[in-house]
Amino acid sequence: EAAVTQSPRNKVAVTGGKVTLSCNQTNNHNNMYWYRQDTGHGLRLIHYSYGAGSTEKGDIPDGYKASRPSQENFSLILELATPSQTSVYFCASGGTGQDTQYFGPGTRLLVL
Amino acid sequence: EQQVQQSPASLVLQEAENAELQCSFSIFTNQVQWFYQRPGGRLVSLLYNPSGTKQSGRLTSTTVIKERRSSLHISSSQITDSGTYLCAMEPHTNKVVFGTGTRLQVLP
Repeated sequence: EAAVTQSPRNKVAVTGGKVTLSCNQTNNHNNMYWYRQDTGHGLRLIHYSYGAGSTEKGDIPDGYKASRPSQENFSLILELATPSQTSVYFCASGGTGQDTQYFGPGTRLLVL
Repeated sequence: EQQVQQSPASLVLQEAENAELQCSFSIFTNQVQWFYQRPGGRLVSLLYNPSGTKQSGRLTSTTVIKERRSSLHISSSQITDSGTYLCAMEPHTNKVVFGTGTRLQVLP
């Protein structure tokens, strides 16, 4: 079973502050993904990466940056957090099709 | 916009009843997956079903590409089946689009 961990699990931030969400995977997957999950919207793709050093914009990248410094680590950065970014964020690694995605446990972010 | 619609939005069953979950796609796709999410938990892949019928234990998925739909049948439901079931499609390589899910509650 692929192991994907996220930190922190819960975060309270202030409007305008910087937030960094971290993700680590131990199965040597090339692809990693950041999603947010909101009631009524399901999971929406923010950024993804094909490997170390690469980041790609997903469907809702505005207000977010991503960083992939190594095969194992993928970070999501909110430079200026806003209340609209209050959500549950999930990281995943793996692929598509038969190479399914393995998800982390999620990070609950509250921006006040 | 590429979309995935799921129905029903929620479903309540008595234990041992069967469940039928539906998923429809805005485009033709032969890459369909079903995921399960326990309340407050991570998503776990249940079935990858590009076309036809595929079974895993009490779960049976049927995907009909030309009709742009997929279904998930859960037989003899158990209380531990409660949670949210999400359907997902892959419109192109390395990108997955998820539906909003069906919330299932199985009562004793």
